[in-house]
Amino acid sequence: GAVVSQHPSWVICKSGTSVKIECRSLDFQATTMFWYRQFPKQSLMLMATSNEGSKATYEQGVEKDKFLINHASLTLSTLTVTSAHPEDSSFYICSARDTSGNYEQYFGPGTRLTVT
Amino acid sequence: AQRVTQPEKLLSVFKGAPVELKCNYSYSGSPELFWYVQYSRQRLQLLLRHISRESIKGFTADLNKGETSFHLKKPFAQEEDSAMYYCALNNAGNMLTFGGGTRLMVKP
Repeated sequence: GAVVSQHPSWVICKSGTSVKIECRSLDFQATTMFWYRQFPKQSLMLMATSNEGSKATYEQGVEKDKFLINHASLTLSTLTVTSAHPEDSSFYICSARDTSGNYEQYFGPGTRLTVT
Repeated sequence: AQRVTQPEKLLSVFKGAPVELKCNYSYSGSPELFWYVQYSRQRLQLLLRHISRESIKGFTADLNKGETSFHLKKPFAQEEDSAMYYCALNNAGNMLTFGGGTRLMVKP
């Protein structure tokens, strides 16, 4: 089946620094990827839709200048958390939509970000 | 606006008992609904979708447009069914809106 990877799986950074999270579709192409945020014991909240070759679409309340998304190829999207603060600590999950098949979304394993 | 509601955060049953995880939705268009499952320390994965009308791991879900529900059912729960279950709605833009999730615990 289709596999989506995320790197790193866990990162700790200091306040004020920036962190980049990668999301890759390993055996299929994805013109669209999605970034979610999940707080402990809560559901997934869609942050933004990443479109290959164009600007990302952000959900209401998500700061696009803080959460930079780049979808430079059909298999890679990156989320950069800029000037991180402790309140940005969360579990970030990406998904990729297989546009050549049944448009199913496949989820990555998630990245746990801790900002100290 | 679309919304997915899972009223139970936790559902605990004994092995062999029937299970029903509730999901209600609100959406102005024609809904496409899914159930996703997340086992401990694993990624989210698709369990089933309403359009395929299939049974996966003994689970079924029927879309009831009159009641705007998509409840997940299994007649005899197994211990390995213990997991987080998320109901999700796909809108016309192919974006998923997730419910709050229900943790199913199947006791031996």
